[in-house]
Amino acid sequence: RKEVEQDPGPFNVPEGATVAFNCTYSNSASQSFFWYRQDCRKEPKLLMSVYSSGNEDGRFTAQLNRASQYISLLIRDSKLSDSATYLCVVNGSGGSYIPTFGRGTSLIVHP
Amino acid sequence: GAVVSQHPSRVICKSGTSVKIECRSLDFQATTMFWYRQFPKQSLMLMATSNEGSKATYEQGVEKDKFLINHASLTLSTLTVTSAHPEDSSFYICSARTTTSGTGYSLNEKLFFGSGTQLSVL
Repeated sequence: RKEVEQDPGPFNVPEGATVAFNCTYSNSASQSFFWYRQDCRKEPKLLMSVYSSGNEDGRFTAQLNRASQYISLLIRDSKLSDSATYLCVVNGSGGSYIPTFGRGTSLIVHP
Repeated sequence: GAVVSQHPSRVICKSGTSVKIECRSLDFQATTMFWYRQFPKQSLMLMATSNEGSKATYEQGVEKDKFLINHASLTLSTLTVTSAHPEDSSFYICSARTTTSGTGYSLNEKLFFGSGTQLSVL
């Protein structure tokens, strides 16, 4: 089983839709979690950190479920500009400080 | 915010050529630099982790003699692809992390990425 798994998609949604992605991780000792956004052939950019209590930033909501070992990202009122690949990053697995990336979930928002 | 400058952004070279990629942290000290490779529609694959002043730690399957990493200062790390072949064509990207003073790494520290280098070997 891979350390960090994501459905690669693509998720094809109309503007204004609500879309959610999940990311599962295998190591229960993982300590911190992030969602990054990556546009084609560009560097990943931090979208938001994920806390146990959940956190929200505008149209984006991230949640962590430690019992089931997954994190989620919810995007409300999708915009065309949200089209990108969303990368899940897990840090601190097994005492390691090396961040581990999921393969990313592709989102396509169409008019 | 913290900036990591990566050069060159694109390289096209002949097979057998060695290619050097530089990553500089412009306004902070990058104690640790991660080097990743990304093939189309694939995830970022960690190649190696380098700490300033010490030898890089390579991931399984990554040839250390082929991918030379130097992290001689707190602001500069380089990756040299030696004798590049077409199968080395990929997107290479660095990311830097700082330490918190005194207590080592903070697991909530963010990564600062370079802009990536697209390597095409003919």
